[in-house]
This record gives sequence, structure tokens and C-alpha cells, in this order.
Amino acid sequence: AQSVTQPDIHITVSEGASLELRCNYSYGATPYLFWYVQSPGQGLQLLLKYFSGDTLVQGIKGFEAEFKRSQSSFNLRKPSVHWSDAAEYFCACTGGFKTIFGAGTRLFVKA
Amino acid sequence: GAGVSQTPSNKVTEKGKYVELRCDPISGHTALYWYRQSLGQGPEFLIYFQGTGAADDSGLPNDRFFAVRPEGSVSTLKIQRTERGDSAVYLCASSPGTSGGRGEQFFGPGTRLTVL
Repeated sequence: AQSVTQPDIHITVSEGASLELRCNYSYGATPYLFWYVQSPGQGLQLLLKYFSGDTLVQGIKGFEAEFKRSQSSFNLRKPSVHWSDAAEYFCACTGGFKTIFGAGTRLFVKA
Repeated sequence: GAGVSQTPSNKVTEKGKYVELRCDPISGHTALYWYRQSLGQGPEFLIYFQGTGAADDSGLPNDRFFAVRPEGSVSTLKIQRTERGDSAVYLCASSPGTSGGRGEQFFGPGTRLTVL
């Protein structure tokens, strides 16, 4: 069955520090993978997506993610976090028509 | 241009009542999705429309839930005999093209449903 796991419920990083949010998926074929961000009072916004090709994908706001088939992972990274990055981050996997989201990781940024 | 809109933004109802939640997708988007997001959880897939037809309704939890999209644009999610466990934020998303969930989805702000 299709599933997405985000092992970290919340993460706190200092402003300017690097960030990595973990995502593991389970799907029988090559998945379509996404990272979305949800800020308070805002709708979900797409950060980046992976369909095929280069396994390192670049997104908006300086985010990138790397698809690793051998580890069934699609971790999100940012080299230097800004206070405005504080939000909830969701990894998602699409197989067929259905998109399955992880439970999310809440990012806190400290000054 | 205008994004996905959802009405009402908040709905409070009593257990056993019927509710309708409306979604206006981005103009021209043929794909439309409904999700339910409970507190502390990610969005949970409910149903996917391609045009007027439901291509995948496997996420609807039971027969109290029903959704329509009669003209291939606006969609209504209908919940009969509401239960307290139905309380959640209901999200709508739309997407251009016919690639199902493989394309970028544009989300609305959601309707917060509270069942007392």
C-alpha cells in the first residue's frame, strides 16, 4: 500500500543553520514525490516535485530535495534557514490518481 | 488570477445535521481534489474528479460522504448525518490537465467544520 512517513514531528533550528527534513515513502512503482509547505492561515504551497530524471531537484525559496530510490527517501534540505521558513512541511507521494501525504514536520526557527 | 476558493470558511453544525461545502477551482482546471485534514495530521485524500466524473472516490470514509461536480467546475462535498468525528478542515485543490495527482495541485484555504 502507498504510504508516506515523516519521522520528525517537529524540528528546531537556528536562523542561518542548515536544515534537513526526512521523508520515506512506500510505493510499488516509481512515485511522483512532492514537498508542500503550510504556513499559519495560508493554504498549502508546492515547494518542489520529482517525477523522473535528475534525482536532485530544486524548488522555490532556496529548497532542494534528493530522491534516493535505494532508501525510499525524498529528504528536503535548505543550506541556510530564515525565520520566515517556520511552518509545517508535508511530503507527499502520488501513485495513480491518489496523493498520500505524510503527517508533517513542524519547523521552528530560533533567533 | 484568482486561486481556489472555498466556502464557507467556517461551519459549525450539530451532530446529525447535513452540511454542504463548496469549492471553486481555478478557472480551466479540469482536475479537482477533496482532502480532509485533522489536527496534527497531513491532508487525507477523499476524492478526485476529472471533469464531471469522480475518477477515484476511494478515500470517502463511508456513504455519508458524497461529492459532485455537475458542470466540471464548482464542486460540492456533502456530508449527511454529521458526527463529531467529522470535525476537521476540508481542503480542496485543483490542477490543470489530466495527469491525476501527478501534477501540481493548487490548494484552497479550506473549510473548518466543527460538529458539536
